[in-house]
Amino acid sequence: GAVVSQHPSWVICKSGTSVKIECRSLDFQATTMFWYRQFPKQSLMLMATSNEGSKATYEQGVEKDKFLINHASLTLSTLTVTSAHPEDSSFYICSASDPGGVTDTQYFGPGTRLTVL
Amino acid sequence: AQSVAQPEDQVNVAEGNPLTVKCTYSVSGNPYLFWYVQYPNRGLQFLLKYITGDNLVKGSYGFEAEFNKSQTSFHLKKPSALVSDSALYFCAVRDREGSGNTGKLIFGQGTTLQVKP
Repeated sequence: GAVVSQHPSWVICKSGTSVKIECRSLDFQATTMFWYRQFPKQSLMLMATSNEGSKATYEQGVEKDKFLINHASLTLSTLTVTSAHPEDSSFYICSASDPGGVTDTQYFGPGTRLTVL
Repeated sequence: AQSVAQPEDQVNVAEGNPLTVKCTYSVSGNPYLFWYVQYPNRGLQFLLKYITGDNLVKGSYGFEAEFNKSQTSFHLKKPSALVSDSALYFCAVRDREGSGNTGKLIFGQGTTLQVKP
């Protein structure tokens, strides 16, 4: 149980285009999903917290107009990188929180490798 | 401020030997502590968590962790390491400041475990 998927697993795009990444909780409903980015050999940096049916809460320094987050249902959240540039190239990971658990353990997706040319 | 520290960038151990990956924390109140493992180009896999109760927590793949309140530590252990345990390990504490329960995790910087045959 507690499986989270991400799509696509990798994407290459041209500078200036937009890319959408999907995060799905496959076997549980997630009221909260989190989006992280990770640079090589570094820890995860939280970008935003996404609650179903409401606006995402962005961490300080994260541009909300550039990283659009939508959490339209209890099993799906999307991250859209708008007007992508090479510096946006990174490994993006989502996680979903299982509200049925006492501790709301976060379960992570497999990640999406974004390369902007 | 809440924080998590993993003092070792890398831990090397021979296959069959016991392993320890260290983690210390600083939080207000009772901590919710987690260990995750990340294989190359993959998301994080949940290993175990401490919420309350027994200080020794058993998790996936034969891993366990000991909560030590006096030393504010939550070291990850395994009695006999496998080559397949080689990966990046993250300790995390749940953010319980501010409004109380944001659900956010605060991660350590990660420790690379290298198990040699």
